[in-house]
Amino acid sequence: DIQMTQSPSSLSASVGDRVTITCRASQSIRNYLNWYQHKPGKAPNLLIYAASTLQSGVPSRFSGSGSGTDFTLAISNLQPEDFATYYCQQSYSLPWTFGQGTKVEI
Amino acid sequence: EEQVVESGGGLVQPGGSLRLSCTASGFTFSTFALSWVRQAPGKGLEWVSSINGNGANRFYADSVKGRFTISRDNSRNTLYLQMNSLSAEDTAIYFCAKWGQFCSSSSCYYGMDVWGQGTTVTVSS
Repeated sequence: DIQMTQSPSSLSASVGDRVTITCRASQSIRNYLNWYQHKPGKAPNLLIYAASTLQSGVPSRFSGSGSGTDFTLAISNLQPEDFATYYCQQSYSLPWTFGQGTKVEI
Repeated sequence: EEQVVESGGGLVQPGGSLRLSCTASGFTFSTFALSWVRQAPGKGLEWVSSINGNGANRFYADSVKGRFTISRDNSRNTLYLQMNSLSAEDTAIYFCAKWGQFCSSSSCYYGMDVWGQGTTVTVSS
């Protein structure tokens, strides 16, 4: 199974900040990497697929980069609605696996 | 609007069974693969099971293999998860998700692009 490791597990930030979240795969997954945003009591939301392609409707302050084993999610100009938990997920091979999540807090 | 809505969660005793349902609308149901993903209390997202559009191919996480069965009724636009031999470790919010396909000129990529709000399963005596 491919292990996905995110860092940090949590971070504190302020409105207007730029934050970055790192995701590392235990083997190469090329660019088969998705990012999701999840808020308590809500449905998770696909932000980015193919490591760097923004899903339709997602604000341009979100961006993704990386390939192989190392990936990054960046959020610029952090907005109040961005405080949530973010997960990476590999879609390279079964079983599909998620990172442990990164909680972005005020 | 594409939408999925889960139902069927509840309180069940250890060793018991439960069947979850996920009803979809707004897209051609039989065209898309679907998954169940769960979140245990205080934990992250965990993929549980997937099924392809016609139901011929089914996949399971090792943690549920042999106990859970995924199925779908394309005539009813409904996905199911039959859960048997439940234990406390199965306590979680269970989400239904549709797999979107995103293709460029050279490759296709897949991500879970429609999710429900989940249904809660609690296994306790």
